[in-house]
Amino acid sequence: GENVEQHPSTLSVQEGDSAVIKCTYSDSASNYFPWYKQELGKGPQLIIDIRSNVGEKKDQRIAVTLNKTAKHFSLHITETQPEDSAVYFCAASAPGYIFGTGTRLKVLA
Amino acid sequence: DAGVIQSPRHEVTEMGQEVTLRCKPISGHDYLFWYRQTMMRGLELLIYFNNNVPIDDSGMPEDRFSAKMPNASFSTLKIQPSEPRDSAVYFCASSTGGPYQPQHFGDGTRLSIL
Repeated sequence: GENVEQHPSTLSVQEGDSAVIKCTYSDSASNYFPWYKQELGKGPQLIIDIRSNVGEKKDQRIAVTLNKTAKHFSLHITETQPEDSAVYFCAASAPGYIFGTGTRLKVLA
Repeated sequence: DAGVIQSPRHEVTEMGQEVTLRCKPISGHDYLFWYRQTMMRGLELLIYFNNNVPIDDSGMPEDRFSAKMPNASFSTLKIQPSEPRDSAVYFCASSTGGPYQPQHFGDGTRLSIL
């Protein structure tokens, strides 16, 4: 079955800097890769997603890249702000999602 | 539009009791998913439905767990009998157009089994 690894588990950046979170997956049949942001006491909220026929996607300060050959995808957040502090999860469709283990991002003001 | 609604938000009960978690998906969504989140195992898919029919329940941990979807606007996840290791946050999510589409999550039920 699908397995998703996510790194790093924690990440601290200064406000205004960039943050990068990386994930790898094992099942080459996976074709949909969403990223979720989870704040304390809330459910995961979709922030961006990418399909296997696309290499990169951007939405304002957030971008995701996908390398199908290497089976890895990454989340890039530029110009980080304190409100970006949360836990971020990557996922691969299996179907139903297989989630990564999460990255706790702290943006220091 | 209302999002996915879960109830109760918090549940504390004693070991051996029956627990029922409830979920109302987004209107018009034809897929419904149940997940469990723990520190040790992260977010795990338990079961998902399409048009009220269970499609894959391979993530359901034991026979003590059961899920139903009697209609398009309601689903339950039941644990009977409950055990302390079932303590977790349980999330419901819904989507439309297929299992490879964006899923919208509720805010979860935090379950504590004493």
